Amino acid sequence: DTGVSQDPRHKITKRGQNVTFRCDPISEHNRLYWYRQTLGQGPEFLTYFQNEAQLEKSRLLSDRFSAERPKGSFSTLEIQRTEQGDSAMYLCASRKETKAFFGQGTRLTVV
Amino acid sequence: EDQVTQSPEALRLQEGESSSLNCSYTVSGLRGLFWYRQDPGKGPEFLFTLYSAGEEKEKERLKATLTKKESFLHITAPKPEDSATYLCAVQARGNAGNMLTFGGGTRLMVKP
Repeated sequence: DTGVSQDPRHKITKRGQNVTFRCDPISEHNRLYWYRQTLGQGPEFLTYFQNEAQLEKSRLLSDRFSAERPKGSFSTLEIQRTEQGDSAMYLCASRKETKAFFGQGTRLTVV
Repeated sequence: EDQVTQSPEALRLQEGESSSLNCSYTVSGLRGLFWYRQDPGKGPEFLFTLYSAGEEKEKERLKATLTKKESFLHITAPKPEDSATYLCAVQARGNAGNMLTFGGGTRLMVKP
């Protein structure tokens, strides 16, 4: 399978804990995006990378969130001191030219 | 600020009953309008990209059209397997990062 891969698919964590998600984009796709989707809503942009450089962050991305893309390959999204409001589906997408392809997402539940 | 509004929020159809989903948008110069299909618990699956008013694209029972203010996704003779949430998104011309602004989606249910 050469699509966008996300791990884990599901994560349940206690409030206050830190969590980290991983995204492996389609190889040769230099742009990588993170989106967040809550139930019944469309995805909302969080941040994006061109190669290893993080070029834009949404105001939705509080200082508890950090993303990295070392060496321009896979990316990680870390949420520190999780809150119940962080419960959502976290989607990764990679892009080359005109099309963006999404992974299956990581469903985060904060209890 | 770019905005995308989709209607209806939910749509129930009988198998074979054709209909259309609407996507109204406000954007500071449209670079592209995208349609995605999303099944429960999964990521969005790319369907179409439209770039200019008057453009149409087709795939099986789906046809997407674009005007200067809205896009329609026409579903002809739908089948139960077409049941999903359909998402519309826009990309603005001044958007260097090419990120997408999504609407809230239309949940389509097709009954046999």
